[in-house]
Amino acid sequence: GAVVSQHPSWVICKSGTSVKIECRSLDFQATTMFWYRQFPKQSLMLMATSNEGSKATYEQGVEKDKFLINHASLTLSTLTVTSAHPEDSSFYICSARDFTSSYNSPLHFGNGTRLTVT
Amino acid sequence: AQKVTQAQTEISVVEKEDVTLDCVYETRDTTYYLFWYKQPPSGELVFLIRRNSFDEQNEISGRYSWNFQKSTSSFNFTITASQVVDSAVYFCALSEGTAAGNKLTFGGGTRVLVKP
Repeated sequence: GAVVSQHPSWVICKSGTSVKIECRSLDFQATTMFWYRQFPKQSLMLMATSNEGSKATYEQGVEKDKFLINHASLTLSTLTVTSAHPEDSSFYICSARDFTSSYNSPLHFGNGTRLTVT
Repeated sequence: AQKVTQAQTEISVVEKEDVTLDCVYETRDTTYYLFWYKQPPSGELVFLIRRNSFDEQNEISGRYSWNFQKSTSSFNFTITASQVVDSAVYFCALSEGTAAGNKLTFGGGTRVLVKP
Protein backbone atom coordinates (compact mmCIF):
# COMPACT_ATOMS: atom_id res chain seq x y z
CA GLY A 1 0.00 0.00 0.00
CA ALA A 2 0.89 3.65 -0.26
CA VAL A 3 3.49 4.78 2.22
CA VAL A 4 4.39 8.23 3.44
CA SER A 5 7.77 8.58 5.08
CA GLN A 6 8.44 11.43 7.45
CA HIS A 7 11.90 12.34 8.70
CA PRO A 8 13.16 12.82 11.31
CA SER A 9 10.84 11.04 13.72
CA TRP A 10 12.06 13.23 16.53
CA VAL A 11 14.38 16.19 16.88
CA ILE A 12 15.66 18.35 19.69
CA CYS A 13 16.99 21.78 18.84
CA LYS A 14 18.04 24.93 20.62
CA SER A 15 15.93 28.03 20.65
CA GLY A 16 16.65 30.27 17.68
CA THR A 17 17.74 27.53 15.30
CA SER A 18 15.81 26.21 12.31
CA VAL A 19 14.59 22.68 11.78
CA LYS A 20 13.59 21.01 8.54
CA ILE A 21 11.10 18.16 8.42
CA GLU A 22 10.72 16.04 5.29
CA CYS A 23 7.63 14.27 4.05
CA ARG A 24 8.05 11.81 1.19
CA SER A 25 5.56 9.71 -0.68
CA LEU A 26 7.46 6.50 -1.34
CA ASP A 27 5.40 4.71 -3.94
CA PHE A 28 3.03 7.27 -5.36
CA GLN A 29 2.99 10.83 -6.61
CA ALA A 30 1.47 13.46 -4.38
CA THR A 31 0.41 16.76 -5.91
CA THR A 32 -1.02 17.79 -2.57
CA MET A 33 0.34 17.32 0.92
CA PHE A 34 -1.03 18.57 4.19
CA TRP A 35 0.86 19.58 7.32
CA TYR A 36 -0.76 19.20 10.72
CA ARG A 37 0.40 20.14 14.20
CA GLN A 38 -0.59 18.44 17.41
CA PHE A 39 0.20 19.88 20.83
CA PRO A 40 0.33 17.45 23.76
CA LYS A 41 -3.03 15.93 24.55
CA GLN A 42 -4.73 17.99 21.88
CA SER A 43 -6.17 17.35 18.48
CA LEU A 44 -4.52 17.68 15.11
CA MET A 45 -4.81 21.10 13.55
CA LEU A 46 -4.19 21.76 9.88
CA MET A 47 -1.34 24.20 9.37
CA ALA A 48 -1.10 24.40 5.62
CA THR A 49 -1.79 22.77 2.30
CA SER A 50 1.24 22.19 0.16
CA ASN A 51 0.85 22.00 -3.62
CA GLU A 52 3.59 20.82 -5.92
CA GLY A 53 5.12 23.67 -7.86
CA SER A 54 3.16 26.44 -6.19
CA LYS A 55 2.95 28.32 -2.94
CA ALA A 56 1.47 26.68 0.10
CA THR A 57 -1.89 27.76 1.47
CA TYR A 58 -1.71 28.51 5.17
CA GLU A 59 -4.54 28.25 7.65
CA GLN A 60 -5.56 31.30 9.60
CA GLY A 61 -3.21 32.05 12.44
CA VAL A 62 -0.25 30.12 11.02
CA GLU A 63 2.77 32.32 10.28
CA LYS A 64 3.96 31.61 6.77
CA ASP A 65 7.33 33.22 7.41
CA LYS A 66 7.93 31.02 10.40
CA PHE A 67 6.75 27.75 8.91
CA LEU A 68 8.26 27.56 5.46
CA ILE A 69 6.83 24.92 3.19
CA ASN A 70 8.41 23.75 -0.02
CA HIS A 71 6.87 21.19 -2.34
CA ALA A 72 9.41 21.04 -5.13
CA SER A 73 8.60 17.59 -6.46
CA LEU A 74 5.70 15.19 -6.62
CA THR A 75 7.20 13.04 -3.88
CA LEU A 76 8.66 15.52 -1.41
CA SER A 77 7.37 18.34 0.75
CA THR A 78 9.42 19.99 3.47
CA LEU A 79 8.39 22.03 6.47
CA THR A 80 11.04 24.30 7.98
CA VAL A 81 10.43 25.76 11.39
CA THR A 82 12.53 28.91 11.39
CA SER A 83 13.94 30.50 14.54
CA ALA A 84 12.27 27.87 16.65
CA HIS A 85 11.10 28.68 20.16
CA PRO A 86 9.94 26.43 22.98
CA GLU A 87 6.31 27.14 22.12
CA ASP A 88 6.92 25.51 18.73
CA SER A 89 7.53 22.21 20.48
CA SER A 90 4.88 19.93 19.09
CA PHE A 91 4.14 16.84 17.04
CA TYR A 92 4.13 17.62 13.33
CA ILE A 93 2.54 15.16 10.94
CA CYS A 94 2.13 15.24 7.20
CA SER A 95 -0.32 13.55 4.90
CA ALA A 96 -0.40 13.06 1.17
CA ARG A 97 -2.94 12.37 -1.49
CA ASP A 98 -2.19 9.90 -4.24
CA PHE A 99 -2.27 11.83 -7.50
CA THR A 100 -2.85 8.81 -9.68
CA SER A 101 -5.56 7.15 -7.65
CA SER A 102 -9.27 7.77 -7.84
CA TYR A 103 -10.94 10.70 -6.13
CA ASN A 104 -12.07 8.22 -3.53
CA SER A 105 -8.55 7.53 -2.31
CA PRO A 106 -8.03 8.67 1.28
CA LEU A 107 -5.06 10.52 2.65
CA HIS A 108 -1.95 8.66 3.73
CA PHE A 109 -0.22 9.89 6.88
CA GLY A 110 3.42 9.95 7.84
CA ASN A 111 4.47 8.74 11.28
CA GLY A 112 5.02 12.25 12.54
CA THR A 113 7.95 14.27 13.90
CA ARG A 114 8.20 15.18 17.54
CA LEU A 115 9.97 18.53 17.85
CA THR A 116 11.36 19.70 21.17
CA VAL A 117 12.87 23.18 21.35
CA THR A 118 15.03 23.82 24.40
CA ALA B 1 -17.49 25.91 8.32
CA GLN B 2 -16.98 22.29 9.17
CA LYS B 3 -16.69 21.07 12.73
CA VAL B 4 -16.26 17.75 14.49
CA THR B 5 -17.13 17.27 18.14
CA GLN B 6 -16.12 14.36 20.30
CA ALA B 7 -17.78 15.07 23.60
CA GLN B 8 -15.96 12.37 25.54
CA THR B 9 -12.41 13.36 26.33
CA GLU B 10 -11.51 10.17 28.16
CA ILE B 11 -13.14 6.79 28.71
CA SER B 12 -11.85 4.15 31.07
CA VAL B 13 -13.11 0.57 30.89
CA VAL B 14 -12.14 -2.83 32.11
CA GLU B 15 -11.02 -5.37 29.56
CA LYS B 16 -13.87 -7.15 27.74
CA GLU B 17 -16.28 -4.29 28.26
CA ASP B 18 -17.77 -2.59 25.22
CA VAL B 19 -17.01 1.06 24.64
CA THR B 20 -18.78 3.50 22.34
CA LEU B 21 -17.15 6.69 21.15
CA ASP B 22 -19.42 9.51 20.06
CA CYS B 23 -18.79 11.80 17.11
CA VAL B 24 -21.02 14.63 15.92
CA TYR B 25 -20.17 16.69 12.88
CA GLU B 26 -21.28 19.90 11.19
CA THR B 27 -20.96 20.67 7.52
CA ARG B 28 -22.82 22.60 4.86
CA ASP B 29 -21.68 20.29 2.10
CA THR B 30 -23.97 17.53 0.90
CA THR B 31 -20.97 15.46 -0.13
CA TYR B 32 -18.38 14.67 2.50
CA TYR B 33 -16.35 11.87 4.04
CA LEU B 34 -16.09 10.77 7.65
CA PHE B 35 -13.14 8.96 9.16
CA TRP B 36 -11.98 7.33 12.34
CA TYR B 37 -8.29 7.13 13.23
CA LYS B 38 -6.51 5.49 16.13
CA GLN B 39 -3.43 7.14 17.62
CA PRO B 40 -1.46 4.83 19.92
CA PRO B 41 1.15 6.26 22.32
CA SER B 42 3.80 6.01 19.60
CA GLY B 43 1.98 8.81 17.77
CA GLU B 44 1.27 7.51 14.31
CA LEU B 45 -2.26 7.70 12.95
CA VAL B 46 -3.83 4.37 12.14
CA PHE B 47 -6.66 4.54 9.62
CA LEU B 48 -9.74 2.63 10.77
CA ILE B 49 -12.61 3.53 8.47
CA ARG B 50 -13.85 5.94 5.82
CA ARG B 51 -17.51 6.61 5.06
CA ASN B 52 -18.97 8.86 2.40
CA SER B 53 -22.08 10.89 3.01
CA PHE B 54 -24.20 8.80 0.69
CA ASP B 55 -23.49 5.53 2.41
CA GLU B 56 -25.38 5.23 5.66
CA GLN B 57 -24.89 1.53 6.03
CA ASN B 58 -23.46 0.53 9.33
CA GLU B 59 -20.24 -1.42 9.21
CA ILE B 60 -18.64 -4.11 11.30
CA SER B 61 -15.01 -5.09 11.13
CA GLY B 62 -14.01 -7.64 13.71
CA ARG B 63 -14.56 -6.07 17.13
CA TYR B 64 -15.12 -2.64 15.60
CA SER B 65 -18.44 -1.30 14.42
CA TRP B 66 -19.64 2.06 13.21
CA ASN B 67 -23.06 3.67 13.24
CA PHE B 68 -23.59 6.51 10.77
CA GLN B 69 -26.78 8.54 11.11
CA LYS B 70 -27.15 11.57 8.87
CA SER B 71 -30.35 12.59 10.61
CA THR B 72 -28.40 13.32 13.77
CA SER B 73 -25.06 14.10 12.07
CA SER B 74 -23.39 11.39 14.06
CA PHE B 75 -20.80 8.76 13.28
CA ASN B 76 -20.29 6.69 16.40
CA PHE B 77 -17.70 3.99 16.91
CA THR B 78 -18.03 0.93 19.13
CA ILE B 79 -15.30 -1.41 20.29
CA THR B 80 -16.74 -4.71 21.43
CA ALA B 81 -15.00 -6.80 24.05
CA SER B 82 -12.24 -4.25 24.53
CA GLN B 83 -8.63 -5.30 24.95
CA VAL B 84 -5.66 -3.59 26.53
CA VAL B 85 -4.20 -3.03 23.07
CA ASP B 86 -7.19 -0.85 22.25
CA SER B 87 -5.85 1.79 24.64
CA ALA B 88 -5.19 4.84 22.47
CA VAL B 89 -6.61 8.16 21.43
CA TYR B 90 -9.30 7.89 18.79
CA PHE B 91 -10.07 10.72 16.39
CA CYS B 92 -13.12 11.28 14.27
CA ALA B 93 -12.50 13.45 11.21
CA LEU B 94 -14.42 15.09 8.38
CA SER B 95 -13.40 15.87 4.82
CA GLU B 96 -15.67 18.05 2.72
CA GLY B 97 -16.13 17.74 -1.02
CA THR B 98 -16.15 14.89 -3.45
CA ALA B 99 -12.62 13.66 -2.84
CA ALA B 100 -11.74 11.57 0.18
CA GLY B 101 -8.21 12.93 -0.02
CA ASN B 102 -9.08 16.49 0.89
CA LYS B 103 -7.91 18.15 4.06
CA LEU B 104 -9.33 16.81 7.28
CA THR B 105 -10.96 18.51 10.22
CA PHE B 106 -10.38 16.45 13.34
CA GLY B 107 -12.43 16.19 16.47
CA GLY B 108 -10.78 16.71 19.81
CA GLY B 109 -10.13 13.03 20.27
CA THR B 110 -11.24 10.52 22.90
CA ARG B 111 -8.63 8.82 25.03
CA VAL B 112 -9.58 5.22 25.72
CA LEU B 113 -7.93 3.40 28.58
CA VAL B 114 -8.59 -0.31 28.81
CA LYS B 115 -7.55 -1.78 32.12
CA PRO B 116 -6.72 -5.46 32.48
